Amino acid sequence: GAVVSQHPSRVICKSGTSVKIECRSLDFQATTMFWYRQFPKQSLMLMATSNEGSKATYEQGVEKDKFLINHASLTLSTLTVTSAHPEDSSFYICSARETGGVTEAFFGQGTRLTVV
Amino acid sequence: QKEVEQNSGPLSVPEGAIASLNCTYSDRVSQSFFWYRQYSGKSPELIMSIYSNGDKEDGRFTAQLNKASQYVSLLIRDSQPSDSATYLCAVGQNFVFGPGTRLSVLP
Repeated sequence: GAVVSQHPSRVICKSGTSVKIECRSLDFQATTMFWYRQFPKQSLMLMATSNEGSKATYEQGVEKDKFLINHASLTLSTLTVTSAHPEDSSFYICSARETGGVTEAFFGQGTRLTVV
Repeated sequence: QKEVEQNSGPLSVPEGAIASLNCTYSDRVSQSFFWYRQYSGKSPELIMSIYSNGDKEDGRFTAQLNKASQYVSLLIRDSQPSDSATYLCAVGQNFVFGPGTRLSVLP
């Protein structure tokens, strides 16, 4: 399968600071990338769908000003958690779908964010 | 609201048995369906995709799709302890995920 690289895999930050998470498709071009959040023992919650060159589509209840998404190229999308608070601590996972039709989406390794 | 439902489990099967995982969905126009496996603390990995009614086999895995009844299932033959994980069903081009079924294969 295609490779999606997510970085960093783990980050600890202080409350009030911002954290940027990168998601890269390494061997394919991804028009669409998805960002998820997962709390312990819970399922994936879709936060937003990111399309290259356009604004992200956020799911209901997700603050677009707090979770900034940029998808500036066909191989890179970033999620910035601004002014992070302890309740933002979670496992953030991106996935990417290859350009052209409906195909499988492949997941990055995930980023475990801890806000202290 | 588009929903995807799965039994949360845990589903326990003995080693060598067939594990059957089910998923139902509400969006009738969905055309793509996916099964992912997620080990604890890891991100999901794709097992199979299915787009047409009927069965699709890949090794020990068989996906079954019935659009009229709006369900998709995953069968795992000759279950192994290494198959113990949470299995996630995803539906549609926006990959709406179900809550996942936790499978435990007992040695």
